[in-house]
Amino acid sequence: GIQVEQSPPDLILQEGANSTLRCNFSDSVNNLQWFHQNPWGQLINLFYIPSGTKQNGRLSATTVATERYSLLYISSSQTTDSGVYFCAVVDDYKLSFGAGTTVTVRA
Amino acid sequence: DTGVSQDPRHKITKRGQNVTFRCDPISEHNRLYWYRQTLGQGPEFLTYFQNEAQLEKSRLLSDRFSAERPKGSFSTLEIQRTEQGDSAMYLCASSPMGSRKHGTYRLGADTQYFGPGTRLTVL
Repeated sequence: GIQVEQSPPDLILQEGANSTLRCNFSDSVNNLQWFHQNPWGQLINLFYIPSGTKQNGRLSATTVATERYSLLYISSSQTTDSGVYFCAVVDDYKLSFGAGTTVTVRA
Repeated sequence: DTGVSQDPRHKITKRGQNVTFRCDPISEHNRLYWYRQTLGQGPEFLTYFQNEAQLEKSRLLSDRFSAERPKGSFSTLEIQRTEQGDSAMYLCASSPMGSRKHGTYRLGADTQYFGPGTRLTVL
């Protein structure tokens, strides 16, 4: 199966700071999704981004499929951005997830 | 669209008991998936359905686990003779892949949407 690696594993930010999360994957993919897992365990869809760049408010994502990586940018971070961010790629029929990046935003 | 729903949200059981979880996907989503997530890890695939047909099962799904989607709508996941190692969050997801509206090749048709999960604790 496709291997997905996320970095860094943990990130501590001061409110208002910007940050970049990285996702590397081991094979070509047709679909890549970024999720935010809230403290109650719900996975919230952030982006469906097999290639290119998308923006949604303070979040944006870029996937360079030919180089097998994706980046998630958080700008002007807020305490509500805290949680675990997962990258997942479609591996045949299923999603293969990375181990996640735990983001803590301090006021 | 209402989202994916799961019931119960929490389940505490004693080792050796049977438990059953339910998942209601987004309406008109043909595909339904089950994943398991343990502490500090990303979700891992268990099984998936295309309509009522169960098409794939992970090797993580031991003989004690069984999943059904009898009418191609909601799905149940049953764990028999629970063990402490079964303690985890069980997540359900659905996607419109293969539906009459979204087909197979429409961009984004394979996007998966997750429910809130069922957290199982086996004592």
